[in-house]
Amino acid sequence: SQTIHQWPATLVQPVGSPLSLECTVEGTSNPNLYWYRQAAGRGLQLLFYSVGIGQISSEVPQNLSASRPQDRQFILSSKKLLLSDSGFYLCAWSNIRGKGNQPQHFGDGTRLSIL
Amino acid sequence: AQTVTQSQPEMSVQEAETVTLSCTYDTSESDYYLFWYKQPPSRQMILVIRQEAYKQQNATENRFSVNFQKAAKSFSLKISDSQLGDAAMYFCAYRSLRNSGNTPLVFGKGTRLSVIA
Repeated sequence: SQTIHQWPATLVQPVGSPLSLECTVEGTSNPNLYWYRQAAGRGLQLLFYSVGIGQISSEVPQNLSASRPQDRQFILSSKKLLLSDSGFYLCAWSNIRGKGNQPQHFGDGTRLSIL
Repeated sequence: AQTVTQSQPEMSVQEAETVTLSCTYDTSESDYYLFWYKQPPSRQMILVIRQEAYKQQNATENRFSVNFQKAAKSFSLKISDSQLGDAAMYFCAYRSLRNSGNTPLVFGKGTRLSVIA
């Protein structure tokens, strides 16, 4: 069966520090991968998605970036964190061959606090 | 671009009663998919139910069912016999079928459901 791993679960970082959040998927190949951010008490904002290795689509201009160095690995990064980067970050995957009816499966999330 | 609107930020229901969460969306496409996700306090996102727009029959999953009104672009979620474990944030989501459906879900802002014992 497919599983998605996201780490760390919790992270506290000072303003201006770098960031690296990692997400890996097991049990499937060539998945679509997504990064979302959820601010406190609010909905999900799509940050990046990828349909293949090295293919990244950015939805919101900001100081974050994403990379997909391997088929089932998706990394969210920042060179310098801002206070506004605080939030709950969710990674998700979906089956690329599902013709749209396949749901997105989410990781357990990373709670990021910027001090 | 498509948008999803959940007009009820918060709802409450008595245990064992029925509650309906509303969702409307805006699209010019004729075929698409709709989803409801649940996010309990653990913050894990859990798929509740999905609906294909070309199907007239409303989807059901045990105590969860939808009322899909395509012309009105409405996709409400009905929870019957509410249980304490149903307390969560509920998100409505839309998926376009552009690019053979390889598009991200567009989410509403969510409705926080409280269940009163």
